[in-house]
This record gives sequence, C-alpha cells and structure tokens, in this order.
Amino acid sequence: KQEVTQIPAALSVPEGENLVLNCSFTDSAIYNLQWFRQDPGKGLTSLLLIQSSQREQTSGRLNASLDKSSGRSTLYIAASQPGDSATYLCAVRSIPGYNNNDMRFGAGTRLTVKP
Amino acid sequence: EAQVTQNPRYLITVTGKKLTVTCSQNMNHEYMSWYRQDPGLGLRQIYYSMNVEVTDKGDVPEGYKVSRKEKRNFPLILESPSPNQTSLYFCASSYLPGLSYNEQFFGPGTRLTVL
Repeated sequence: KQEVTQIPAALSVPEGENLVLNCSFTDSAIYNLQWFRQDPGKGLTSLLLIQSSQREQTSGRLNASLDKSSGRSTLYIAASQPGDSATYLCAVRSIPGYNNNDMRFGAGTRLTVKP
Repeated sequence: EAQVTQNPRYLITVTGKKLTVTCSQNMNHEYMSWYRQDPGLGLRQIYYSMNVEVTDKGDVPEGYKVSRKEKRNFPLILESPSPNQTSLYFCASSYLPGLSYNEQFFGPGTRLTVL
C-alpha cells in the first residue's frame, strides 16, 4: 500500500531564504508525482508534475526533483517571498495493479514566509 | 478557459437527505476523480473514473456513489448523508495516466456540512 510522507509538517522562514520541502513514498511503481499549493480554505493549484522517467522539473523559482528508486522528491523554493506562504502537497499517482489505489497525497507542509 | 467546475460550492443539509455534487470539465479528459479533505487526515480519494462507464473505488468509497455517463461529467452522490461526511470535497481531471502528460486539474471545492 502506497504511503506518502511529507517532512517537515510546518516550516517558518524569513523572506529571501532558499528552502527545501521533502516528500517520500513507499512504492516506486508510479506514473508521476505532482506538487500542489493550497491556500487556506481554497482549492489546489498545480505547481509541477514530474513523470516517472524524469529527474526534475523547473518553473520560475521552483524546482522539483524525483528519485524514484529511493522513493523521494524534493521541492526547492528559491528566494522565498511572503506570497509563498501556503500549504504544499505532494501527490503520487500509482500504476494500476501495483497498489489498491490510484492517487495518494501527503499530509502537506505548511510554509510561512515572514517579511 | 480550461477548468473544472463544481456545484454547489457550499451546502448545508440534514442527515439522510440525498444530495448530488456535480463536477464538469471542459478539457476532454478521460480521467476524473473525487477527493475529500479533512483536518488531520489530508486529501483522500473517494472514487475515480478512467473513462465513460468505468469507475473504481479509491481509499474511502463507503457512503458515496458516482456515475460517468458522459465524458465531461462525474457527479458524486450521497444517498443518505451522515455527519461524518461533513468535509471539503474536490473534483479533479486529467488525461489518462501513462499515455500523455497527465497533470491533474482540481475544481474549487465544495464545502459540505451534514447536520
């Protein structure tokens, strides 16, 4: 059964710092891994999608990496800003037949960037 | 504009009164899915559908029904809602995993309260 874990659960940093959010998963039989941002009481905004054959994806100040064999992904945020404050979620899409589920989310990392 | 829409956005109902939450996407996606989000439990998948007339259970299907009669619509049906189904519900869609770039797009959410 696929399990997705995100560490840390919460993170507070001063503006301008570079930071790394971690996501780990237990079964490497995945199609892809997707990082989302969620503001309080709002929906999910897709940030980056990494296919299982890829090692990393970049969008602006965001860089996501994937090491499928070790079951790990990181989301790197450069030069953090107060507007980056949100909860960041990673989601793993499993290959059918390998797990009795389709999509599994981590519990999220709540990020606060202080001015 | 490419989007996933959900209706209603907010709903307060009473135990046992059947309700339907609609979900529609305009991106011609084969795959659609429903999730619920609860404090401390994160996002959990309820049901998903790989195409018309093809549905499968996620992690928490009990108490819910779905149907996929048309490609664009994937309604979530609560035949006899109970207070433990009070939650924030999200619908999502994507292309089929494994065939193409299958980033998941999420609807804005439906906040359901069952009294």
